[in-house]
This record gives sequence, structure tokens and C-alpha cells, in this order.
Amino acid sequence: ETGVTQSPTHLIKTRGQQVTLRCSSQSGHNTVSWYQQALGQGPQFIFQYYREEENGRGNFPPRFSGLQFPNYSSELNVNALELDDSALYLCASSQGTYVNEQFFGPGTRLTVL
Amino acid sequence: AQRVTQPEKLLSVFKGAPVELKCNYSYSGSPELFWYVQYSRQRLQLLLRHISRESIKGFTADLNKGETSFHLKKPFAQEEDSAMYYCALKGYGNKLVFGAGTILRVKS
Repeated sequence: ETGVTQSPTHLIKTRGQQVTLRCSSQSGHNTVSWYQQALGQGPQFIFQYYREEENGRGNFPPRFSGLQFPNYSSELNVNALELDDSALYLCASSQGTYVNEQFFGPGTRLTVL
Repeated sequence: AQRVTQPEKLLSVFKGAPVELKCNYSYSGSPELFWYVQYSRQRLQLLLRHISRESIKGFTADLNKGETSFHLKKPFAQEEDSAMYYCALKGYGNKLVFGAGTILRVKS
């Protein structure tokens, strides 16, 4: 059984650019949730994908978008990057949409200059 | 509104001393609460959930609806308990709302 993986580990972008972050869910899991963790803060829910459809969204603007693929892996896309988007982005997978037990990936550290 | 408050950024205790990490929540529905832990250089992982009423690694947490609290307790701290601890609430839309976290430092 493989755990949740994320790529890349680190990323540096400039303001206005676009970025794509990737997440492979744990074997047997069909749901992926994305979180943004700013420095010194707890993770903040961005959105969740279940069976390739968005299934819940936090308080993030539309320039944060996502995809889920038939193999349940997922992408987080952020357009028009702003300095405040600098954060650790975590994905978590689970079996079903119930967040009773989510397994987190190691995260992608995004720096926007 | 749904909110989780962890009032202490850092809690420092000696090995063998009791530990209590505080968590207060704000939620109008029936809450489901969790504690997550992140050890150094490891990923975030679930420690315990209130519905299971379990004890993991000697830690327990009791939901107090009257005080809207879900404090994490351990009678005797060990050095390997040093980590970042997050309290989380399952809120509307089946999403997790996290507190800002508390660093627990256990000194020898």
C-alpha cells in the first residue's frame, strides 16, 4: 500500500504566474482534499474532489481550481499568483467523502516572489 | 460560524509532567472533533477523534459541549511526544477546520 504523494516538493514562482501542484492518493482512496497552510497557521480547506467532481469548497477565489482524474489523482491549479499564495499546500486522501480519517501527503512548498 | 481556537502557540513541560493542550471550538451544529499531530520531518497524521473515545499513545480528549472544548491530555509526558498538535472540527460541507496549532516541547 502506497501513501499519499505530492509533487513537486518545492516551487518558486513570480507574481502573476500560474502553478499546478499534483497529488496521488493512497491506494484504494477515491477522495482528495486540498489545504493551504500559511506559515504559523493550521491547514485551511481549499476544496475536495470525489469521483472527479468538486465536492465542497472553502473560502478561496475562483483562481484556485482543481481536477481529479479517473485514477483518483488530483491537481491543484492556481492562476494569477499573489504573494499571499506563498504557503505549504497539502493534499489528503480518504475512502469516501467523510473526513473521519484523512491521510495527508508531505506537502508542496510554494514561494511566490 | 465555525472556528477552532488553540490559545497556546507553545507549551513546554518536563518529562513525566502532565500535559493539557487546549482547544475551544465554535460551531452551531453537533460537533465532531479531532486531534492531529505532526512530528518533526513527518507528515500530518490523525491522533484521535472524539467519537471513538479512544486513548492513543496515552493521550485522551473529552468533548465538553457546555464549555465548547476538546482539550488533549496526557498524565505523564514523554520526550517523543514533542510535536505540533492541531485540533480540528468537522464543519459544514464535510470539511475540516483546523486550529493554528500548539507546539509541545517536552524537556528532559
